[in-house]
Amino acid sequence: DADVTQTPRNRITKTGKRIMLECSQTKGHDRMYWYRQDPGLGLRLIYYSFDVKDINKGEISDGYSVSRQAQAKFSLSLESAIPNQTALYFCATSELGQGRGTDTQYFGPGTRLTVL
Amino acid sequence: GESVGLHLPTLSVQEGDNSIINCAYSNSASDYFIWYKQESGKGPQFIIDIRSNMDKRQGQRVTVLLNKTVKHLSLQIAATQPGDSAVYFCAENTGGFKTIFGAGTRLFVKA
Repeated sequence: DADVTQTPRNRITKTGKRIMLECSQTKGHDRMYWYRQDPGLGLRLIYYSFDVKDINKGEISDGYSVSRQAQAKFSLSLESAIPNQTALYFCATSELGQGRGTDTQYFGPGTRLTVL
Repeated sequence: GESVGLHLPTLSVQEGDNSIINCAYSNSASDYFIWYKQESGKGPQFIIDIRSNMDKRQGQRVTVLLNKTVKHLSLQIAATQPGDSAVYFCAENTGGFKTIFGAGTRLFVKA
């Protein structure tokens, strides 16, 4: 979805390096998310943010940190990358629809990260 | 615990046939369900959704069926085309932001 962009699209790095993945959106959504995708495991939530001042841990936040620089920007950092963080990373956005449980998410194209 | 699973990890269908992708969910409190399509090299893309107060919803060539009694969700694709080849994810939402994704089913369309 061109409304959600991620940079870089591919990255190869070494163990111990600090890495930042960036996400920008033009959808005007308040909510942003970072997921990682591993084969056979689906999408797992790393961090999410409901607005610029609200950051929350997801189910697998250890080893990651995030920064919500603006409504449209949400970056994910790996402070000291390790090989088991090799995965496909997706940023997503959403706005809460009417009523409970209507939170459709829109995904970016993903960043393929390899940690050697 | 909460989980969203899929009956078949891979589905192969002939072009022009109908496809049915199944999904089981475990949280009876889930009240919103979504199907996503992920093509190679791209992020998941919303296809269709359904609320728990419905048992069927139709879109363009796609239909989602929800059976709350057995906690089962299915995606039907009519007249499957080569462009439908992708991984399909079901997801459940228990209210607000929390969406749980299944592992996905890969659909192959044979010409």
